[in-house]
Amino acid sequence: AQTVTQSQPEMSVQEAETVTLSCTYDTSESNYYLFWYKQPPSRQMILVIRQEAYKQQNATENRFSVNFQKAAKSFSLKISDSQLGDTAMYFCAFISNAGGTSYGKLTFGQGTILTVHP
Amino acid sequence: NAGVTQTPKFQVLKTGQSMTLQCAQDMNHEYMSWYRQDPGMGLRLIHYSVGAGITDQGEVPNGYNVSRSTTEDFPLRLLSAAPSQTSVYFCASSPFGDRVKKLFFGSGTQLSVL
Repeated sequence: AQTVTQSQPEMSVQEAETVTLSCTYDTSESNYYLFWYKQPPSRQMILVIRQEAYKQQNATENRFSVNFQKAAKSFSLKISDSQLGDTAMYFCAFISNAGGTSYGKLTFGQGTILTVHP
Repeated sequence: NAGVTQTPKFQVLKTGQSMTLQCAQDMNHEYMSWYRQDPGMGLRLIHYSVGAGITDQGEVPNGYNVSRSTTEDFPLRLLSAAPSQTSVYFCASSPFGDRVKKLFFGSGTQLSVL
């Protein structure tokens, strides 16, 4: 079974600065995907960024980038030029690409509440 | 397209009452699932379905029933609500063969059991 751990329950950052959210995971599989989801106060789950395990290049989406360290099983999210609208709960999540009974089963971390201060 | 629609958005129940959380998607997705979100625990999978007539248990299935009679609908039933079922519930769907493994989430149902 997979586990995902987010060790930072809360983080804060000043507007326009950079912040990094940490995530570690444990799996015996080699083919999987990792995600960061954002949950603002509206409760909607918004996909921020995804990383395929077989790709060495770190994923980037505008101000959001990841540092994927497969050997260390680490998957951190860096938010550059933080904005007030980035204030939200952020979840790290894992999904196997093995198919079969693991299909579609996301395993989530505990979440990190990020507050961006003006 | 509406995407994934959950009803109701909020619900208060008394211990022992039953209710059904509704979930419908209009994207013809084969895969549907239910998660519950609790503070400090992230989201955990309750039940899932890979197509009409096929359901299976997730990580925390006790106290919940599901059925999948159509591709569009995947209701979650609480037969006898307990305070431990106070949570936010999310329904999600995904098409088979989606290489990027993206789940489409509903807006959630906040349930309080007194």
